[in-house]
Order: sequence, then structure tokens, then C-alpha cells
Amino acid sequence: DTEVTQTPKHLVMGMTNKKSLKCEQHMGHRAMYWYKQKAKKPPELMFVYSYEKLSINESVPSRFSPECPNSSLLNLHLHALQPEDSALYLCASSQEGQAQTGYTFGSGTRLTVV
Amino acid sequence: QKEVEQDPGPLSVPEGAIVSLNCTYSNSAFQYFMWYRQYSRKGPELLMYTYSSGNKEDGRFTAQVDKSSKYISLFIRDSQPSDSATYLCAMSAGLHGQNFVFGPGTRLSVLP
Repeated sequence: DTEVTQTPKHLVMGMTNKKSLKCEQHMGHRAMYWYKQKAKKPPELMFVYSYEKLSINESVPSRFSPECPNSSLLNLHLHALQPEDSALYLCASSQEGQAQTGYTFGSGTRLTVV
Repeated sequence: QKEVEQDPGPLSVPEGAIVSLNCTYSNSAFQYFMWYRQYSRKGPELLMYTYSSGNKEDGRFTAQVDKSSKYISLFIRDSQPSDSATYLCAMSAGLHGQNFVFGPGTRLSVLP
């Protein structure tokens, strides 16, 4: 299995809703990442987990809350989002310390906040 | 000056053409250079990576790095309509993904 699987593929939520994005990989990768990508822009790093511990939080608002329940799963909990948070949310994984060769992205969740 | 610059395009070429995609950067500490291809509504996929200066070839794709000029290129030979996508360069000083810096991407259209 060489894939990163993200669910759901599409999500529409209101500004008062709580929802979660899910990411799963079975490649034995110990580094997992959340990125946000706006249209025609490069991915922007949000969070990094290394060996199931949060190692980097790139000054992301608290309405985004990541969770890494185990080495294969990564969640992003969403609460009280704003319309400007609408974007493609990408999960990625890599072997720790070998990101240049084995960095694998999922297909993303396209989030629309109404 | 942005850390990584890339012409956003769009770049349109006829099928069979040789395509040249380029990035310039300002941080001389970068030593790992990657090219990703992103189809519409999909996540990026790694195409090529190069360590330090030099060339690397994989099928129809050739990656070049010129660290002295802080310039990297991706060449696509015999381009196909299936190559139509956005191409993102990425670079890093170290081996950890959190240090990646992505270019803004170039949209490529290969016309049949």
C-alpha cells in the first residue's frame, strides 16, 4: 500500500458546525503532515506529527485541532471555521528524515465553509 | 523577494514539444530539490528529486540543479496531453518535510 487516503473528499460545513477530516496511511511512515492549499497557490504547512507527537504548529488558529491517534491515522478537527478557511486540505506522510524521497500526499478534502 | 519563485503560467505547448519548467531561489542552504506534479483536484505527487547540483533523468523527465545560479529546471520530452497539470518545485535545506519550501507552481497545458 503506497497511498495516503483522506476522507471525506468533499465537505460543506456551516460556521457553527464541528467536523473532522481523516487521513490514513499504511506505509510505516512516522512523519505526518497537514497542509492547506488555496486555489492556484502552493500548499502551506499547518501541522507536523513525528512519531505521533506534534512537533510543529505553524501558527494555525485554534479552530483547527489536529490529533494523531496512532502511527497510521491523522485527524483534523474543525470548529467555528470562517469562509476564508475554505480550501483543499492535504494530508501527507514520509519516513522521518527522508522526506525528499518518500513524501506522499493524499488527494485532499475540499472544504467549503458557508 | 520570495524564497522560491516560479512562473505561474499558464504555459501551453503542442503535443510532442519539449517543455522547460524553472524555479529560482534565494536560500543558498537549500540542497534537496524536488518536482511535484499536481492534477486538478488531486494532491501533489513526487516526480523527481535531486540532491545538490547536477542532472537526473527518469524516462521523459530530466531535472537539473545549478546551485551556483540558484536555479533548477524540469524538462519534459515528447510532452503528452496527460502531462497537463500544475508543476510545483520544492526545496529543503534538510531531510525533514517540515522544512520544505514550495514554489507557487506552473500550470502546463499540452494540446493534442
